[in-house]
Parts: sequence; C-alpha cells; structure tokens
Amino acid sequence: DGGITQSPKYLFRKEGQNVTLSCEQNLNHDAMYWYRQDPGQGLRLIYYSQIVNDFQKGDIAEGYSVSREKKESFPLTVTSAQKNPTAFYLCASTAGQGGYNEQFFGPGTRLTVL
Amino acid sequence: GQSLEQPSEVTAVEGAIVQINCTYQTSGFYGLSWYQQHDGGAPTFLSYNALDGLEETGRFSSFLSRSDSYGYLLLQELQMKDSASYFCAVKTGANNLFFGTGTRLTVIP
Repeated sequence: DGGITQSPKYLFRKEGQNVTLSCEQNLNHDAMYWYRQDPGQGLRLIYYSQIVNDFQKGDIAEGYSVSREKKESFPLTVTSAQKNPTAFYLCASTAGQGGYNEQFFGPGTRLTVL
Repeated sequence: GQSLEQPSEVTAVEGAIVQINCTYQTSGFYGLSWYQQHDGGAPTFLSYNALDGLEETGRFSSFLSRSDSYGYLLLQELQMKDSASYFCAVKTGANNLFFGTGTRLTVIP
C-alpha cells in the first residue's frame, strides 16, 4: 500500500540534544512538507521541498534543519537551538506542482523534551 | 500578515446539520481546503474549492466566496464518528497551505 511513514511515533529527548525525525513516502510524490502542531492549534509549516536537493523555509524554520537527498525521504532534525520543541510533528506530501490540491499526511511523531 | 478565522468549538446533535465557517486574509489565494483530524491522528483531506460555489461530496459540502474571503464546510446527517477537529487551509502557493487553528466538532446523541 502506498503512503507516508513516520518514525518513531513517540520520541523523548533531553534538553540540548539534537534529534532526527524520519519521513518516508512511496507515493512517488515530488513535494514534501514538515508541519508542527501544538495542542489545540493548527498546523504550522516548518520546511518544504518541491524537488530533490531543494528545500525552502516555512513560517517557523528556526531551530530546525532538513535534507532531501532522495525523492522518497525528507528527514527533519530538531536542533538544540529550537527553544520549545515539544510538539506533534507531521510530514506530508503532494504529487507536484500546480493542480494537485490534496496533501497526504503521515501518522506523526510526538516529540517530548524532558 | 496572514490569518484564517474559524470557530474554536461547535457542538451538534447526531443526525443534524452543522456549518463550520472560515474567513481568511492571506497574501496569495489559489483555493480553500478542508481537512479532518481525529484526536491523535493525521489530518485527512475533505475538499478543495478554487472557484465560487458549492462542492458536494456525500454528506460533506464545501462553499467558497472569493469576493467575501469566506468559506464553509457543511456536514449533514451527522454521525458520532464525525466528532473531530476540522481545519480550513488556504493554498497560498504552488502547493503550500496555510492552516487555520481548527474547529473542534463534538457530536452528541
């Protein structure tokens, strides 16, 4: 079955540590996205990538980094520079430029900083 | 700046009809989407409106008025499983979405 996988589902880290969240898709989608969701809030865009080896900052990129070396993969690193990293992180993808209007979401990773 | 406004909470009775409104102010506008998210789950796509008017998909319908910067999601014949959060989202670029803060719908018997 095609879809988006994120791992791990729950992640705990100590303050000051970097952590990488995985996102893999087998939908052959060109564009991929990372969102952050805080309790009772909407989704805020962290980074997005329209094609391999290219990515752009979203609205809240500070303290995060990404890479897009393969079409299928878009890992997100939460660095120690992110002041309040505890949140629910969602990865999404869409087919490509222009007329593709549906974003497909992975199951999410819930990150807790201890 | 950009903003989307939608009610934070709505309660409705099973079998009834409910309308969730969304007003937007964004720097770019290609269309308005709606997503459903159950607690702890991933958002799932419900609808997309690029042009003015009503789009119907089963029990769900979505409306857009570009001149009023306004849209709504209409849910008919409510079922308990419809209890979830509903997000409107504006497509601001080629594929980028700007999300509202969501409306938590509670369906009661």
